[in-house]
Amino acid sequence: DAGVIQSPRHEVTEMGQEVTLRCKPISGHNSLFWYRQTMMRGLELLIYFNNNVPIDDSGMPEDRFSAKMPNASFSTLKIQPSEPRDSAVYFCASSGTVSNQPQHFGDGTRLSIL
Amino acid sequence: AQSVTQPDIHITVSEGASLELRCNYSYGATPYLFWYVQSPGQGLQLLLKYFSGDTLVQGIKGFEAEFKRSQSSFNLRKPSVHWSDAAEYFCAVGAGGFQKLVFGTGTRLLVSP
Repeated sequence: DAGVIQSPRHEVTEMGQEVTLRCKPISGHNSLFWYRQTMMRGLELLIYFNNNVPIDDSGMPEDRFSAKMPNASFSTLKIQPSEPRDSAVYFCASSGTVSNQPQHFGDGTRLSIL
Repeated sequence: AQSVTQPDIHITVSEGASLELRCNYSYGATPYLFWYVQSPGQGLQLLLKYFSGDTLVQGIKGFEAEFKRSQSSFNLRKPSVHWSDAAEYFCAVGAGGFQKLVFGTGTRLLVSP
């Protein structure tokens, strides 16, 4: 079975540019999570969706960040405009509908903002 | 608020020796607890989870963890470490049900020959 697929794996861009990270969850999973990992703050939950609906976005750092899930098989995390402090590894995870299902993580996108 | 403490940032263990990674949590209700492992350049892989029942849970790759409510701990153990176990290990508690996870800061395991 294919796991959670994230693209791109690496992104290097200049400050002020728009960045879009993509995620394809495991087929059949109805919950999707976006995390950010940095040395300073560790692993932080940014936002999560159930059945394509955003449930909790309290971890989104500021208005420059937005996330969408237009359908059950695709989600995006967008940063506009990007800043150097957004440099981090961004992970997407998904989990199933049955209670007590653990989250399965993608391999992440390493983002560098110059 | 929920929180997880992993007091050891780095641990070095000789290959073949036993391992114990510490995890303490803070959560008002019955916790959902997880251990994940992260190899360099990869995402997190679930090692094991605890929701209820037997307080000693078995996971993949020969790992086990014991839930001790009185100590608010969920320590990870392995009787004999292999070089391939070198990685970063994260403990997490499920907040608001199992969906919203709060992670500890991780423990990096180094395995010496």
